[in-house]
Amino acid sequence: GAGVSQSPSNKVTEKGKDVELRCDPISGHTALYWYRQSLGQGLEFLIYFQGNSAPDKSGLPSDRFSAERTGGSVSTLTIQRTQQEDSAVYLCASSPAWGRVDTQYFGPGTRLTVL
Amino acid sequence: DQQVKQNSPSLSVQEGRISILNCDYTNSMFDYFLWYKKYPAEGPTFLISISSIKDKNEDGRFTVFLNKSAKHLSLHIVPSQPGDSAVYFCAASSNFGNEKLTFGTGTRLTIIP
Repeated sequence: GAGVSQSPSNKVTEKGKDVELRCDPISGHTALYWYRQSLGQGLEFLIYFQGNSAPDKSGLPSDRFSAERTGGSVSTLTIQRTQQEDSAVYLCASSPAWGRVDTQYFGPGTRLTVL
Repeated sequence: DQQVKQNSPSLSVQEGRISILNCDYTNSMFDYFLWYKKYPAEGPTFLISISSIKDKNEDGRFTVFLNKSAKHLSLHIVPSQPGDSAVYFCAASSNFGNEKLTFGTGTRLTIIP
């Protein structure tokens, strides 16, 4: 399909391990966003990319979290030394350009469980 | 600090009746508000939005009302249909939609046939 895709759909890991979550945005979309939803919480903004650069990393909860985007397309969110509080659904969204939040298209998310 | 709040985690409504979902916000810088709908195992999809220069926006069966003085908005769905059963998220942005979104915790709407 032509929508935003994320992989894996589910990830179970042990505390202390590193994980990588992948997002494939809609082709041609220059802006890409990462959010997460912890149990009982709303979607929490993590980081956004305009092209390959990340002007706003303000939502990353700690230095264990990092993200990169290459070629203005695929993005990877990496969580190092995972903790149980990292368990959440991680959602990616893309839009044709930064701004106009109503043009964000979301992927189905990756459910991360840290044991 | 939850800047966007949806105090009802769930709501059940009879098919054909009106569904009213509520949302409150605390940040006075917010000037653009959106509703998203989410089905299980899918990402949220944009439903309807409203700018703070308006107090009502209507799109088919969906109407969003904004009360700036009360920092409150609501989504009305009429008539409610079984396909409306989903989780609804309220979200807010500043700079008239040109800044990042802040989401509420969601309300699960169930339409009873």
